[in-house]
Amino acid sequence: DGGITQSPKYLFRKEGQNVTLSCEQNLNHDAMYWYRQDPGQGLRLIYYSQIVNDFQKGDIAEGYSVSREKKESFPLTVTSAQKNPTAFYLCASSRPRASNSYNEQFFGPGTRLTVL
Amino acid sequence: GESVGLHLPTLSVQEGDNSIINCAYSNSASDYFIWYKQESGKGPQFIIDIRSNMDKRQGQRVTVLLNKTVKHLSLQIAATQPGDSAVYFCAERGNAGNMLTFGGGTRLMVKP
Repeated sequence: DGGITQSPKYLFRKEGQNVTLSCEQNLNHDAMYWYRQDPGQGLRLIYYSQIVNDFQKGDIAEGYSVSREKKESFPLTVTSAQKNPTAFYLCASSRPRASNSYNEQFFGPGTRLTVL
Repeated sequence: GESVGLHLPTLSVQEGDNSIINCAYSNSASDYFIWYKQESGKGPQFIIDIRSNMDKRQGQRVTVLLNKTVKHLSLQIAATQPGDSAVYFCAERGNAGNMLTFGGGTRLMVKP
């Protein structure tokens, strides 16, 4: 089956610790994205990558870091600098933008991070 | 399951009725729009999309309408079923890259 996987589904972290969330896709998509979702709000873009070895900050990148060493993988690290890390984190992937094409983003199942 | 939104606008409909969910978007240069459905504790699922050179697109039981004059998008669900209960998000794509900007979401509750 083609799709996006995120692990773990639930993650608990002590304050002051870094934690890395996994995102893998086998859709052969060039672009990958990380979003944060808080209750009562839509999705906010943390980081995105349009191609391997390249990534850009989104709207709320402070306190987060990413890497894109392989096309299939886009891990997100939530650092101790992130002041309010408890949230639901969603990874997505898509084909590159192209004219006259429909290229929606496909989402993974999400990871719920709780800081204790 | 986990709630994806505690204070979202809510639309409550009777099973079998039609539902209309509305969304106002912000960027007049946006060229592509998507509706997603998100069930509690899960990632968003694609429902239907539309490009800005169209004003209507139909899928199975769903129709998306786009009014660029007033920057308004709507999702119509025919014969709403209990399985349609979820939070619905609209998203717009600007004029560079493939990044999406999401609306705040609407919770649809279907009464049996």
